[in-house]
Amino acid sequence: QVQLVQSGAEVKKPGASVKVSCKASGYTFTSYGISWVRQAPGQGLEWMGWISTYNGNTNYAQMLQGRVTMTTDTSTSTAYMELRSLRSDDTAVYYCARDIWGGNRSPFDYWGQGTLVTVSS
Amino acid sequence: EIVMTQSPATLSVSPGERATLSCRASQSVSSNLAWYQQKPGQAPRLLIYGASTRATGIPARFSGSGSGTEFTLTISSLQSEDFAVYYCQQYNNWPPRTFGQGTKVEIK
Repeated sequence: QVQLVQSGAEVKKPGASVKVSCKASGYTFTSYGISWVRQAPGQGLEWMGWISTYNGNTNYAQMLQGRVTMTTDTSTSTAYMELRSLRSDDTAVYYCARDIWGGNRSPFDYWGQGTLVTVSS
Repeated sequence: EIVMTQSPATLSVSPGERATLSCRASQSVSSNLAWYQQKPGQAPRLLIYGASTRATGIPARFSGSGSGTEFTLTISSLQSEDFAVYYCQQYNNWPPRTFGQGTKVEIK
């Protein structure tokens, strides 16, 4: 069965970086893109960006440009999201989510369990 | 950037009643619209995609309609497990693949 398993919770100081992993199983990793979505406490869902697991192409939300990098390791079927220069308002649960199909326009059918990142001095 | 606006913010419904949730896009997204359900402490779950197609395993009491800029999610007879927050998302013009702010369906 399809699974996305994320790394554990992180506590970081302002200005630091965090790298969250998302290990996929149960399907051909390179056939479906991966997006990252975050949710601040008590707030809604915010799309952060997308990576093609086929060729590594990325699209990032404009508000995160310059601070976020998404990568993949196809040998381990793992996607990564690194966020730099952390601020207190980056405190959120971070999710990875799989495109339901390959191609340009796709919703998300499988989600990771979420990784809580807390930014606090 | 396409802005998605959901209404109402909170919907109070009795079990067994119908719930109707709305989602409006700031410009046409064709039928490239999805609905997700999220319960506390859980990841979102895909309910509807293509504006009206139920995802695998989603009960028939969930239905979606609309195209262009106006969309509706209807839950025909609310069950206890349906009380949750619902988000719409457009995936037509991106980046970004924007979400609405959510509608909380609570017990009346």
